[in-house]
Amino acid sequence: AQSVTQLGSHVSVSEGALVLLRCNYSSSVPPYLFWYVQYPNQGLQLLLKYTTGATLVKGINGFEAEFKKSETSFHLTKPSAHMSDAAEYFCAVSVSNAGGTSYGKLTFGQGTILTVHP
Amino acid sequence: GAGVSQSPSNKVTEKGKDVELRCDPISGHTALYWYRQSLGQGLEFLIYFQGNSAPDKSGLPSDRFSAERTGGSVSTLTIQRTQQEDSAVYLCASSLVGLAGFNEQFFGPGTRLTVL
Repeated sequence: AQSVTQLGSHVSVSEGALVLLRCNYSSSVPPYLFWYVQYPNQGLQLLLKYTTGATLVKGINGFEAEFKKSETSFHLTKPSAHMSDAAEYFCAVSVSNAGGTSYGKLTFGQGTILTVHP
Repeated sequence: GAGVSQSPSNKVTEKGKDVELRCDPISGHTALYWYRQSLGQGLEFLIYFQGNSAPDKSGLPSDRFSAERTGGSVSTLTIQRTQQEDSAVYLCASSLVGLAGFNEQFFGPGTRLTVL
């Protein structure tokens, strides 16, 4: 079974400051990793994903994340926060099934609410 | 094209009543998922459909919960004899399913269920 831990249920930064949202995962097989964002009263939107290949992945809105197998981490960063980044962020993991295909069931972390101050 | 849609957007019901929640996936997406988002439990997987079959129902919390999918398209999640702990936002997602790798899940806006 896999699990996800997001460190910090709330993160507050100033506009223009670095955003760092932490995610650690547990999986017995190579994982697929994702970050989703949820704005108030909206569904989830995919920010970025890691499946295979390059461990530094870039997503929408200037976000990026690095898969570090040795640390079982997939932290989300953005060099300069914008007011519009205020939202809740979810890290998620999925694994392929034994047949090599993946039906994509997601296991989510508890979420991190990002607040951006002017 | 249109995204995933869900109806109703909000549902208020009395304890003990049955409710039906509907999901219209993106056309052509064979995989469909239901998740539940609640304050105490976060985001939890409920059930997965591939076509009209549900090979994974492991997340359904009790036998009061059931779901079906018809025509490889629309899905309905039914909660019988609702309880206050069923109050949550129910999210539906759909995706293509390939032979390798992972296909992005597209989420609907959710149905907010409140059980009084």
